[in-house]
Amino acid sequence: DTAVSQTPKYLVTQMGNDKSIKCEQNLGHDTMYWYKQDSKKFLKIMFSYNNKELIINETVPNRFSPKSPDKAHLNLHINSLELGDSAVYFCASSQEDTISRRGTIYFGEGSWLTVV
Amino acid sequence: AQSVSQHNHHVILSEAASLELGCNYSYGGTVNLFWYVQYPGQHLQLLLKYFSGDPLVKGIKGFEAEFIKSKFSFNLRKPSVQWSDTAEYFCAVRGTDKLIFGTGTRLQVFP
Repeated sequence: DTAVSQTPKYLVTQMGNDKSIKCEQNLGHDTMYWYKQDSKKFLKIMFSYNNKELIINETVPNRFSPKSPDKAHLNLHINSLELGDSAVYFCASSQEDTISRRGTIYFGEGSWLTVV
Repeated sequence: AQSVSQHNHHVILSEAASLELGCNYSYGGTVNLFWYVQYPGQHLQLLLKYFSGDPLVKGIKGFEAEFIKSKFSFNLRKPSVQWSDTAEYFCAVRGTDKLIFGTGTRLQVFP
């Protein structure tokens, strides 16, 4: 009963392909995120959704498109994959405090994407 | 804008040695502070967090951290490390909507 689950865990694909990573959380949280961890282990936020609405959209190429069908799911679709997209993508979720608008963020196990 | 600095990029210790990993942040307002750990090939796990109250917070696996507001610091400590503590440690700060991570510290513990 993993709290934040992502599929697939490993993905090897060729340049130019389109791929999706799915994420689901069963914590009842209202906010979900996608983070990217590069080869130097640096973690950077890509997107954040609160109750299915886009809240944060960092400077990410348009080839990356998040989709949130409901507040328990946040999928990441990537078009025309490039070599530089190779990274670990972490989904995460949090329950935001209504006053401070902050909560603890819990991460999924990561999806290792390799573009060849 | 908020930012986080972890000055120790790679720390090598023998078992039973004491550990202190530095973390400094910059943000003018109220912050929430976190330490996450990433064991080899695994996901990020929350070690401990500070929201308010006692600036000395205790986390899992014997870790603790102290928030010193005047120094904008949130250093992680453990009195006696074990081989199983070998991992990457990330300090993170949340002042606004975003959780911003430091560049991480790689800890290697040798038996």
